[in-house]
Amino acid sequence: GAGVSQSPRYKVAKRGQDVALRCDPISGHVSLFWYQQALGQGPEFLTYFQNEAQLDKSGLPSDRFFAERPEGSVSTLKIQRTQQEDSAVYLCASSPRPRTVNYEQYFGPGTRLTVT
Amino acid sequence: DAKTTQPNSMESNEEEPVHLPCNHSTISGTDYIHWYRQLPSQGPEYVIHGLTSNVNNRMASLAIAEDRKSSTLILHRATLRDAAVYYCLDSGGGADGLTFGKGTHLIIQP
Repeated sequence: GAGVSQSPRYKVAKRGQDVALRCDPISGHVSLFWYQQALGQGPEFLTYFQNEAQLDKSGLPSDRFFAERPEGSVSTLKIQRTQQEDSAVYLCASSPRPRTVNYEQYFGPGTRLTVT
Repeated sequence: DAKTTQPNSMESNEEEPVHLPCNHSTISGTDYIHWYRQLPSQGPEYVIHGLTSNVNNRMASLAIAEDRKSSTLILHRATLRDAAVYYCLDSGGGADGLTFGKGTHLIIQP
């Protein structure tokens, strides 16, 4: 069946540009997560949605990062005025239950962002 | 910061069992233990999770110590496709997202 998809898979941005990364979760999944993974590190939590409600954005590194999920399905992570330290793989994950710390999360392949 | 401790890397031979250890020094009574793995250029993949009892599924087995301060992921017969970074996590109330460490890089020799 269809898994979590993300687009684009690769994005190169010049420093100062805005970027938008898209996540299509598994159909019907209530929970959606964004993670940031730097080279050689494990993923780090950015933000969590339960349906269209953003219940936790404690991991967003600055106010340049903004995420939305307006209809409770597709989500977009936007980064304004990109900086070199934003270069990373951005992962999206979804899960069928709310507050799903005890249920498996299904990850997409990620978007590799390179800021030059 | 990650709450679990794992070896940086391990090596095993194809078709042999692999035991991947993890220490959960700060785990609380309601935290579940999760294992994920990440193949090169892919997102993490769920492997298994449990609370107190040992767990088995089609991918692996999870052995949890009686005091829950350690767990072991067991791959019964490793294949080359099992070469990946394996992450153990413990999570419960509070954060909604998973907290990953650096994981164990598993190398499988043919």
